[in-house]
Amino acid sequence: QQQVKQSPQSLIVQKGGISIINCAYENTAFDYFPWYQQFPGKGPALLIAIRPDVSEKKEGRFTISFNKSAKQFSLHIMDSQPGDSATYFCAASGSGANNLFFGTGTRLTVIP
Amino acid sequence: DAGITQSPRHKVTETGTPVTLRCHQTENHRYMYWYRQDPGHGLRLIHYSYGVKDTDKGEVSDGYSVSRSKTEDFLLTLESATSSQTSVYFCAISESATGTDTQYFGPGTRLTVL
Repeated sequence: QQQVKQSPQSLIVQKGGISIINCAYENTAFDYFPWYQQFPGKGPALLIAIRPDVSEKKEGRFTISFNKSAKQFSLHIMDSQPGDSATYFCAASGSGANNLFFGTGTRLTVIP
Repeated sequence: DAGITQSPRHKVTETGTPVTLRCHQTENHRYMYWYRQDPGHGLRLIHYSYGVKDTDKGEVSDGYSVSRSKTEDFLLTLESATSSQTSVYFCAISESATGTDTQYFGPGTRLTVL
């Protein structure tokens, strides 16, 4: 059973547009929600993360929106650039080493 | 890739053969992890280690074993490889397991079992 559901599976956006990736979870024990970015042939790397006590976190062009009551969170990439083309994974974790669960990934392509 | 190397980077093997993948870190992090990445599943935890000789199972541990004899090395063994174990394997490390501690991933090993 997938602990974190992610959509869409793939996304094509024009340069300068907004990319939006959505995730949902069920386990209310999760208390940390990171997003990872993965380029082809590389391992995932932490992009941005949020705790459930805030509704939004922004770092540069990347923003996480968090809706605790709906158990949903999303990644917004403003002014999307071709260099943002990658696979993005949302994740959710609680305490403990075996408590980080990943979504299925979204392949983002930004067209020049 | 945060001082993490994986070897080999690519391997093709036949069903029934044993396979060992190696993860080496230079960060002296306590926790090490093995994940597999498959289309439609994201990354799933196979096994993890919280110290030398201390390991535990993850979500998809069947058919895999691990060992950690030194802080810097974490080995993943497929005793008898099957085609369902064709995947990309990632090693990760973290300083602690508080939940908010960042996991740093290695470059991955692409394994094909024929």
